[in-house]
Amino acid sequence: DTGVSQDPRHKITKRGQNVTFRCDPISEHNRLYWYRQTLGQGPEFLTYFQNEAQLEKSRLLSDRFSAERPKGSFSTLEIQRTEQGDSAMYLCASSLSGSLNEQYFGPGTRLTVT
Amino acid sequence: KQEVTQIPAALSVPEGENLVLNCSFTDSAIYNLQWFRQDPGKGLTSLLLIQSSQREQTSGRLNASLDKSSGRSTLYIAASQPGDSATYLCAVRGREDSNYQLIWGAGTKLIIKP
Repeated sequence: DTGVSQDPRHKITKRGQNVTFRCDPISEHNRLYWYRQTLGQGPEFLTYFQNEAQLEKSRLLSDRFSAERPKGSFSTLEIQRTEQGDSAMYLCASSLSGSLNEQYFGPGTRLTVT
Repeated sequence: KQEVTQIPAALSVPEGENLVLNCSFTDSAIYNLQWFRQDPGKGLTSLLLIQSSQREQTSGRLNASLDKSSGRSTLYIAASQPGDSATYLCAVRGREDSNYQLIWGAGTKLIIKP
């Protein structure tokens, strides 16, 4: 078990560009979460998948944001037409239903929009 | 709406001291509470998870307590070491049949002085 992995670890992009992040959860985990964290704050929930179904989306997730988990394994988070306010750490977590639902986090992707 | 508060925002103590970090939440209808550690620019490492039916959990030099009725949790760190320097975040999860998202405090930044 290699834990939750995220790619890339860092991304610098110009305003207006599109970016896509990938998260690979722990292999047997059926639940996957995306959070966003800005400096000095706790993470904020963005969205949640159970298997391939996206069951919850935060109001923070504007129309420019889209997330997928096509085969119930890895997930992608895409941000279109990035804005400077999108600069943050994007964290992915996974958990297993039927247990304590303890969430295990990846190292995060730090996005800087210039 | 659940709100989680952590006080103080920052704490600096000499090596070897025992210390307590505080976490309070406004809605006592929680399923569990987790304490996490975050090193600068890194992801989150789960330290302890307390179910709503439990009063405390221990792992090595760490002890977390939960008083659901008063909406409080504490993380006790014994014999602090410079390697304990990090930001500590607490997060609560709502009812079991909720969307499983975690609601986070902003964290306490801990510095252990050698």
